[in-house]
Amino acid sequence: EVQLVQSEAEVRKPGESLKISCKGSGYSFTSYWIAWVRQMPGKGLECMGIIFPGDSDTRYSPSFEGQVTISADKSISTAYLQWSSLKASDTAMYYCARQRVLDETRWFDPWGQGTLVTVSS
Amino acid sequence: SYELTQPPSVSVSPGQTARITCSGDALPKLYAHWYQQKPGQAPVMVIYKHSERPLGIPERFSGSSSGTTVTLTISGAQAEDEADYYCQSADSSGAYWVFGGGTRLTVL
Repeated sequence: EVQLVQSEAEVRKPGESLKISCKGSGYSFTSYWIAWVRQMPGKGLECMGIIFPGDSDTRYSPSFEGQVTISADKSISTAYLQWSSLKASDTAMYYCARQRVLDETRWFDPWGQGTLVTVSS
Repeated sequence: SYELTQPPSVSVSPGQTARITCSGDALPKLYAHWYQQKPGQAPVMVIYKHSERPLGIPERFSGSSSGTTVTLTISGAQAEDEADYYCQSADSSGAYWVFGGGTRLTVL
């Protein structure tokens, strides 16, 4: 079974750093892109960026470029999303998802269970 | 920037057909995909490439495309189908990807 398991919920103060993780299993982790998707409270889905763990090729949505860093460690089949200085506006649920690429399109399947990040003083 | 537009909400009675639309200028050239998100849960893909249904998704879910609009149809909607539904599109180069704003389906 293809599965993505994310790290547990985190609470941080503004200005602190954070790194959350997403571990893949049941498939060749280095052969598929992994995406990170943000969902702010009561809002919709926003794709932040994607990484290809095979060679660490990384692409960011313009809205998130410079705001976060996406990385991966293929030796342990894990992708990461990190912040160097959190803001209250980073409070959200963050999902990772495997990205399928076929016939000139991309979709997200499956998804991790989500990691809730709360930033509050 | 490229956008996908969905109605904020759709309501149907149990057993009726629910139709959720998604509009975007690039949809005649690009595939759209659909996700279901129930409260407190992660999204689940229900349709990909306009009309393909993944294994395990009930047959009452179907998708279609016409011009700049794609449609998710739920034939004989059930209470368990109450959820937020999102359309999504992207190009193969990875240059961009986008979600629609989401549609809340109410079955009552």
